[in-house]
Amino acid sequence: KAGVTQTPRYLIKTRGQQVTLSCSPISGHRSVSWYQQTPGQGLQFLFEYFSETQRNKGNFPGRFSGRQFSNSRSEMNVSTLELGDSALYLCASSLAVVGGGVDEQFFGPGTRLTVL
Amino acid sequence: AQSVTQLDSQVPVFEEAPVELRCNYSSSVSVYLFWYVQYPNQGLQLLLKYLSGSTLVKGINGFEAEFNKSQTSFHLRKPSVHISDTAEYFCAVSDRDSSYKLIFGSGTRLLVRP
Repeated sequence: KAGVTQTPRYLIKTRGQQVTLSCSPISGHRSVSWYQQTPGQGLQFLFEYFSETQRNKGNFPGRFSGRQFSNSRSEMNVSTLELGDSALYLCASSLAVVGGGVDEQFFGPGTRLTVL
Repeated sequence: AQSVTQLDSQVPVFEEAPVELRCNYSSSVSVYLFWYVQYPNQGLQLLLKYLSGSTLVKGINGFEAEFNKSQTSFHLRKPSVHISDTAEYFCAVSDRDSSYKLIFGSGTRLLVRP
């Protein structure tokens, strides 16, 4: 079974631009979460989607947004990029069986975004 | 709000020696605890998790962790490390109401020397 895939793996943008990152979950997984990893702030939760609905959101400005499609694939968008947005963005997927309790989140390799 | 503290930013150890990576979390009624490992240029891989039940949890690659509610700790241990265990280790917590929202510690870099 293929793992979580993220595209692109590397991205370079300049301040003020916007960017869209893509995440394809493991087949059959319905929940997708996004995390930002930086040397200064560590791993921080951005948001989680389930059945095309955002269920949880972290403490990030509105410039960070996301969505999930009917096939569970997810995208996140960052508008008006700032230097501090340079980070590794990780996506994780889970089965998320309703009533099934907590299940494992499988992480993708991440997209490394550099903002110049 | 939940928080996780990993006091040791780096732990050097010789190959075949035992190791303990420390993790403390803020108190809550119901928490789920996890340890993840991250190798260079890769995503995170789950080592083990505590959801309920036995306080000693065994994971992959010979790692285990013990949940201690009174000390709000979830330390990771391995009796004998290998060079290949060199990586970054993250402790994470989530609560019952938002179980897919992981709160991570700052990470501990395990450096195994020959």
